[in-house]
Amino acid sequence: DAGVTQSPTHLIKTRGQHVTLRCSPISGHKSVSWYQQVLGQGPQFIFQYYEKEERGRGNFPDRFSARQFPNYSSELNVNALLLGDSALYLCASSVPGRTYEQYFGPGTRLTVT
Amino acid sequence: AQSVTQLDSHVSVSEGTPVLLRCNYSSSYSPSLFWYVQHPNKGLQLLLKYTSAATLVKGINGFEAEFKKSETSFHLTKPSAHMSDAAEYFCVVSDAESGTSGTYKYIFGTGTRLKVLA
Repeated sequence: DAGVTQSPTHLIKTRGQHVTLRCSPISGHKSVSWYQQVLGQGPQFIFQYYEKEERGRGNFPDRFSARQFPNYSSELNVNALLLGDSALYLCASSVPGRTYEQYFGPGTRLTVT
Repeated sequence: AQSVTQLDSHVSVSEGTPVLLRCNYSSSYSPSLFWYVQHPNKGLQLLLKYTSAATLVKGINGFEAEFKKSETSFHLTKPSAHMSDAAEYFCVVSDAESGTSGTYKYIFGTGTRLKVLA
């Protein structure tokens, strides 16, 4: 079975630009979460979506937004990019209510110059 | 609020010797706890999980962790380190309070980088 997939794998953007990151969950998983991992730190929770609705939000500015589609894939959007947005963005999928286990994709490495 | 503290940012062991990576948690109720491993330029892989069943949890690649409520600890151990164990390890607590309808978020520790010496 295919795991969580993310695209693109790497991305370079300029300050002030906008970026869209994509995630496809494991088949049958209806919940998707997004995390930001800055170099040298642990991942920080950004959003969780379940059945196309936002179910949780971390301490990130409104420049960060996300959505989930009917096929349960998800997009993370970041507007007005800052240098500090450079990070590995991880997507995780899960089956809500069952052991709380999340399965992570390989991530998208975003570099803002 | 829930949190985890990984007590060592770096741990070095010789190949074939035991591994101990320490994690303490803070939770207002019975938590779900996990250990994940991250190899360079790779995603996060689940090593093991504790979800209020047996307190001694066995994971993949010979790793184990013991949930000790009295000490609020969930340390990761392995009897004999292998060169392939060199990676970043994250202790994680699941915050089930913050979500609705069975949703939740992970709260990660700051990570422990394990170095295995030949």
